[in-house]
This record gives sequence, structure tokens and C-alpha cells, in this order.
Amino acid sequence: NAGVTQTPKFRVLKTGQSMTLLCAQDMNHEYMYWYRQDPGMGLRLIHYSVGEGTTAKGEVPDGYNVSRLKKQNFLLGLESAAPSQTSVYFCASSRQDLIPNTEAFFGQGTRLTVV
Amino acid sequence: GENVEQHPSTLSVQEGDSAVIKCTYSDSASNYFPWYKQELGKRPQLIIDIRSNVGEKKDQRIAVTLNKTAKHFSLHITETQPEDSAVYFCAASPGTASKLTFGTGTRLQVTL
Repeated sequence: NAGVTQTPKFRVLKTGQSMTLLCAQDMNHEYMYWYRQDPGMGLRLIHYSVGEGTTAKGEVPDGYNVSRLKKQNFLLGLESAAPSQTSVYFCASSRQDLIPNTEAFFGQGTRLTVV
Repeated sequence: GENVEQHPSTLSVQEGDSAVIKCTYSDSASNYFPWYKQELGKRPQLIIDIRSNVGEKKDQRIAVTLNKTAKHFSLHITETQPEDSAVYFCAASPGTASKLTFGTGTRLQVTL
């Protein structure tokens, strides 16, 4: 049982380049999320999805787009990368509602550097 | 929206001592409060959580307390061990995962 898998694990981009981060989960979870983690800022929600074919904006959506064409996959796109998007990106998935002992499962993270 | 503040940002304790991390939240609708542990270079993982109808929950050396009136909750780790060294995040949610708001994290260092 792989859980949540992110691809790639590391990437260096030049300013203005585009890329797509892939998240795949095998737990049949309805909800999927993309977070970014910056020093001293905790985890901030970029976009999320409550089911196949749906997406919604989180706390810091500007500069990112997402798609959820299949239930198990959630893609995060950067159309024109900027140095401010240098961060560690985490994908997560969860059941529809959080109840005790039901967690949001995180992927291993993608370290993105934009130069 | 929800705002979660977490203190301290760094905490150093000696092995065997207790560690306490505190969080406050702003949205009275929040009713679910998980704590995540993130070891260096690893993914965040849930270690304990609590619902607002419960004041305290324990799991071996870890406990979480909640004061809904004051809108604050705390993580208590007793008999700390070197493997407890990590970054700990608190979070608050009204029960829907899409609205899980994280604190800024506490880096705990357990020294020998």
C-alpha cells in the first residue's frame, strides 16, 4: 500500500518555465490537497479537491492551477514559475470528513527551487 | 477565516523532561484539532487528535488538552526521548478536511 506518492521529489526551474507536479493516492480518498511549506510559515493550502472533476482555491492559489481528472490523481501546475514559488510542496488526501483517528495522509514532498 | 498561532517556535529539552507546545485558534466553529509530527526531510504524520467535545486525550507519552472557552489547545510529551526531536504542527478544522489550518510549527530538540 503506497499511500500518497508525489512526482518528482526534486526540481530546479528557471524563472518563467512551467511544470506539473503529480500526486497519486491509492486509498480511494475523496479529498486531495496541495500545500506549500515555507520556513516559519507552516503548511499553507494552495488548492484542494473534494472529488473527481472538482477543484477549489485554498489560502494561496495565485500562480498555480490544478486538475483532478481521475479520483486517484491530483495535478499541480505552475504556468510561469517565479522565485517566490521556491518551496517544498506536499500533497495530501483524506476521507470526506475528518473524525478522530482519521488523518490527512501526506506525500513525501517535492522540493522546488526557482532560479 | 481560521487563524492558528503556535508557540514556541523552537523548544530544547533534556532527555526525560517534559515538553509542552501551545496553540490558539480564532474560529469558534473549529471542532477538530490534530497534531502532526514531521521528522527532518520526511512527510508530516498524524500523532494525536482531539474533538471539541473532549477536554483531554492521551496516547502513551503524548497527551493533548483543549480549552474551548479560551480557544487554546496544547500538546504534552512526557519522558522525552531523542526520537521525539522533530517539527510539530498543530491544526484546527471545523470538521471538513478542506478547511484544515496549520500553525507555524515548533522545532523540538531533545538533548542527551
